[in-house]
Amino acid sequence: ETAVFQTPNYHVTQVGNEVSFNCKQTLGHDTMYWYKQDSKKLLKIMFSYNNKQLIVNETVPRRFSPQSSDKAHLNLRIKSVEPEDSAVYLCASSTRDINQDTQYFGPGTRLLVL
Amino acid sequence: GQQVQQSPASLVLQEGENAELQCNFSTSLNSMQWFYQRPGGSLVSLFYNPSGTKHSGRLTSTTVIKERRSSLHISSSQTTDSGTYLCAASSGSWQLIFGSGTQLTVMP
Repeated sequence: ETAVFQTPNYHVTQVGNEVSFNCKQTLGHDTMYWYKQDSKKLLKIMFSYNNKQLIVNETVPRRFSPQSSDKAHLNLRIKSVEPEDSAVYLCASSTRDINQDTQYFGPGTRLLVL
Repeated sequence: GQQVQQSPASLVLQEGENAELQCNFSTSLNSMQWFYQRPGGSLVSLFYNPSGTKHSGRLTSTTVIKERRSSLHISSSQTTDSGTYLCAASSGSWQLIFGSGTQLTVMP
């Protein structure tokens, strides 16, 4: 099966803890992304990463960091979570240029920070 | 700035009715895409439609670049069409800007 896989589906933690979310794509794509979807369903790009380049949305706090071992994996680490980090985090992948192709999304990881 | 504006915010239909969803985007954006988000959260790509009209079953997407707008038409709606529909346009080579979504509810 070729798709975008995310784990965990759901995570509850306390303020100040560190969390890590995993994403794997088996589509053979070159580029992967992390998005944050808030309670109002608004999706915002956080990172874009391929083999050579990491692009960071400048509005993303420094406690967020992407981690990649190869082009099929892009994990998201949050060093010290805060209440406003509660959201759904969506991973996606695409061929190199999203001007030529759509993005494919994983099922999302829902984070609740108490 | 770079903006994608979607309307309506919510829509309630009776099964069998048609739906028309709209998306307007600023001049710095292009390559319109439409997604469907299931109640559980996963996003499914419906159309990659930078310009013109595309069909897929009961769905039709039309993008008119000159007028900076794109529409998604759902004909003969079904209860299983219920969910959130999102449009997005790309900025440069890496960033998708999403609209705020249309929450569609189809009543039996």
